[in-house]
Amino acid sequence: DTAVSQTPKYLVTQMGNDKSIKCEQNLGHDTMYWYKQDSKKFLKIMFSYNNKELIINETVPNRFSPKSPDKAHLNLHINSLELGDSAVYFCASSQGAHSSYEQYFGPGTRLTVT
Amino acid sequence: AQSVTQLGSHVSVSEGALVLLRCNYSSSVPPYLFWYVQYPNQGLQLLLKYTSAATLVKGINGFEAEFKKSETSFHLTKPSAHMSDAAEYFCVTRKGDKLIFGTGTRLQVFP
Repeated sequence: DTAVSQTPKYLVTQMGNDKSIKCEQNLGHDTMYWYKQDSKKFLKIMFSYNNKELIINETVPNRFSPKSPDKAHLNLHINSLELGDSAVYFCASSQGAHSSYEQYFGPGTRLTVT
Repeated sequence: AQSVTQLGSHVSVSEGALVLLRCNYSSSVPPYLFWYVQYPNQGLQLLLKYTSAATLVKGINGFEAEFKKSETSFHLTKPSAHMSDAAEYFCVTRKGDKLIFGTGTRLQVFP
């Protein structure tokens, strides 16, 4: 059973398009996250939701909009895609919002903007 | 400010040799420290975490790390490398509710 799943795994699109990445976790966790990993493997948090409430919102362009329809899902919608958005996006979840809790990561979505 | 510095972006060892991945932290308060591993084309997985209960922390897959306050270090070790250990390793700390990742160390294991 997959704990944290993301779709799609690969996403190739052109500049200016709008795309979404979906994330689901079946661990019963109440906190979910989106991370961005750039080409140098640097990983940085973008957003965090606890019980469907936004608790972390890093300095991310407002073209990025997370949506959490329920505790098990956290989707990421990106408007007007730019070349610099090319990266691997990871979803993660944890039981509790405190950062000492172990976070479980999905396999990642590799976004390529051409 | 809480941060971590990983020394060496690439480490190469022979199979069966000692693995040593270096991490130094800067923190004005007792830190939470983690090591995460990322296997090729996969997400990250927690190897171990330090929460001040014990200075020597044992993790999965034979890895362990020792917290040394005098050196502000949390180096990751494994006595004998296996080919399957080839991956990217991240030293991580926390700042408030956020995890702060180091720049990563790529471990290569040669037969």
